[in-house]
Amino acid sequence: EDQVTQSPEALRLQEGESSSLNCSYTVSGLRGLFWYRQDPGKGPEFLFTLYSAGEEKEKERLKATLTKKESFLHITAPKPEDSATYLCAVQLTGGSYIPTFGRGTSLIVHP
Amino acid sequence: DTEVTQTPKHLVMGMTNKKSLKCEQHMGHRAMYWYKQKAKKPPELMFVYSYEKLSINESVPSRFSPECPNSSLLNLHLHALQPEDSALYLCASSQWGFDTEAFFGQGTRLTVV
Repeated sequence: EDQVTQSPEALRLQEGESSSLNCSYTVSGLRGLFWYRQDPGKGPEFLFTLYSAGEEKEKERLKATLTKKESFLHITAPKPEDSATYLCAVQLTGGSYIPTFGRGTSLIVHP
Repeated sequence: DTEVTQTPKHLVMGMTNKKSLKCEQHMGHRAMYWYKQKAKKPPELMFVYSYEKLSINESVPSRFSPECPNSSLLNLHLHALQPEDSALYLCASSQWGFDTEAFFGQGTRLTVV
């Protein structure tokens, strides 16, 4: 069973149509949760780090929130250039702190 | 300069070849990483260097050999690879470890024939 689950697997939106991506985790003892954006054939680009339930961070049209068992990446009025795969990674408090990545959500925004 | 530079961008190699991937950063980061990513899958951690010393090896086969010549450079030496090793190889760096923001390079697309 995956420790980190992202949904939906793929999402198609019209330009301007706001939506949310979900990252849920089954583990306890969260140290940090990271969001990345990845364009095809490129390396991931860091977006946000969240540490505690209730925390929110924003960047342009993106807003990330965190609860005790999941995180949401809200995209407000998306543009075609927001099309990418969005990855979340969960870091636990124990062990080596290696973040575990989810499989990602592939977002396509149509003009 | 907030870039992690990887060379080459593309590499095709035979199963008997020896090649190296290179990664460079000038952000003063003390942690550097190698990841492997297959199509439509998340990145998988291979190695971690912390202060130029190998700190984590995620049970990677010995045909992959990392090297950190100095605090700005990271190499991945490849030898006797298999076709299933074909993937996007990503280098990343962060200020001092997993707690800090990771900057990824653009990757090397490796094809083993």
